[in-house]
Amino acid sequence: DTAVSQTPKYLVTQMGNDKSIKCEQNLGHDTMYWYKQDSKKFLKIMFSYNNKELIINETVPNRFSPKSPDKAHLNLHINSLELGDSAVYFCASSPRIGSEQYFGPGTRLTVT
Amino acid sequence: KQEVTQIPAALSVPEGENLVLNCSFTDSAIYNLQWFRQDPGKGLTSLLLIQSSQREQTSGRLNASLDKSSGRSTLYIAASQPGDSATYLCAVNDYGQNFVFGPGTRLSVLP
Repeated sequence: DTAVSQTPKYLVTQMGNDKSIKCEQNLGHDTMYWYKQDSKKFLKIMFSYNNKELIINETVPNRFSPKSPDKAHLNLHINSLELGDSAVYFCASSPRIGSEQYFGPGTRLTVT
Repeated sequence: KQEVTQIPAALSVPEGENLVLNCSFTDSAIYNLQWFRQDPGKGLTSLLLIQSSQREQTSGRLNASLDKSSGRSTLYIAASQPGDSATYLCAVNDYGQNFVFGPGTRLSVLP
């Protein structure tokens, strides 16, 4: 019973390509998040959605576009990938804004 | 802007020892604070969540305390085991809008 799942787990692609990462939660939570963990292991929030509405967008380049088709899904689309986008991307969910967060296993993105 | 630090950056202890991990934050106006563990190559596992109105929370061998006025939280691990080896992260929530993470403490418990 996976609570928060992400696909793919690994993604290797070339600079300039466009790619998507998918996230799904089966916990019935209202709020979902995307985080980026860089090579120094620092976790930083990118986006937060509540009931399919964007509530946080932290100085992320507009090449990154989140999409929430329903409360259980939050996908991340990245255009024109750059070397600096290489990182692990984590999806998380919580019952409501600011409550306990549950994380997915992460997607390791490598841009060559 | 909220900043979160964690000391020490790394800690190595023999099995069975009790230990304390520290988390400090610059803005005391927080909604809650959450402790996580992260195993290498894995996601984050929630350990404890303390609301701003609480002083501590306990789960098994773990006890987390919160002192908002001084901007500090501690995670106490009793009778440490090799399976406790992981990176421990604290995250501070600024009134429901944003979680700010610390850099983590890498813990090694030696058999």
